[in-house]
Amino acid sequence: DGGITQSPKYLFRKEGQNVTLSCEQNLNHDAMYWYRQDPGQGLRLIYYSQIVNDFQKGDIAEGYSVSREKKESFPLTVTSAQKNPTAFYLCASSTQAGIFGELFFGEGSRLTVL
Amino acid sequence: KNEVEQSPQNLTAQEGEFITINCSYSVGISALHWLQQHPGGGIVSLFMLSSGKKKHGRLIATINIQEKHSSLHITASHPRDSAVYICAPTDKLIFGTGTRLQVFP
Repeated sequence: DGGITQSPKYLFRKEGQNVTLSCEQNLNHDAMYWYRQDPGQGLRLIYYSQIVNDFQKGDIAEGYSVSREKKESFPLTVTSAQKNPTAFYLCASSTQAGIFGELFFGEGSRLTVL
Repeated sequence: KNEVEQSPQNLTAQEGEFITINCSYSVGISALHWLQQHPGGGIVSLFMLSSGKKKHGRLIATINIQEKHSSLHITASHPRDSAVYICAPTDKLIFGTGTRLQVFP
């Protein structure tokens, strides 16, 4: 079945450590996105990519980095520069670059920094 | 002021009731998503619409692009409809904060 796979589902890390969250899709979608969700708040865009080897910063990119070396993969690294990394992270993809494409989401990764 | 406003923020209903969730936005858009977030966090897309009305089972979504308003209706609500419902204008990659719906038997 086609879909988006995020891993790990739960992740605990010590303060100051970099963490990489995986996002893989087999939907053959060009566009992929990373969002952050905090309790009581809406989804906020971290980074998005419309095509392989290209990505753009979203509203809250500081302290995060991404790569898009393959169409199906869009990993997110939460660096030690991110001041408040504990959050729920969601990856999504769409057939077209965010404008008219239906969005598909992964199940999310919950990061807790101790 | 948020670019996307949803109302109500929280909604409680008895099984079988008709539910309406509203979404207003201040930006000009071409289309809008309605999404459902389950208690575990996963999100599924319910509708993407740019005009008029769409229906899928007990769910109906309407949009008026000129008035910058969309509604999601659930007919004959059921406890399994309990979730957070989120509207998201497609052009701006922004999301409403969601409406938390709880349906009791």
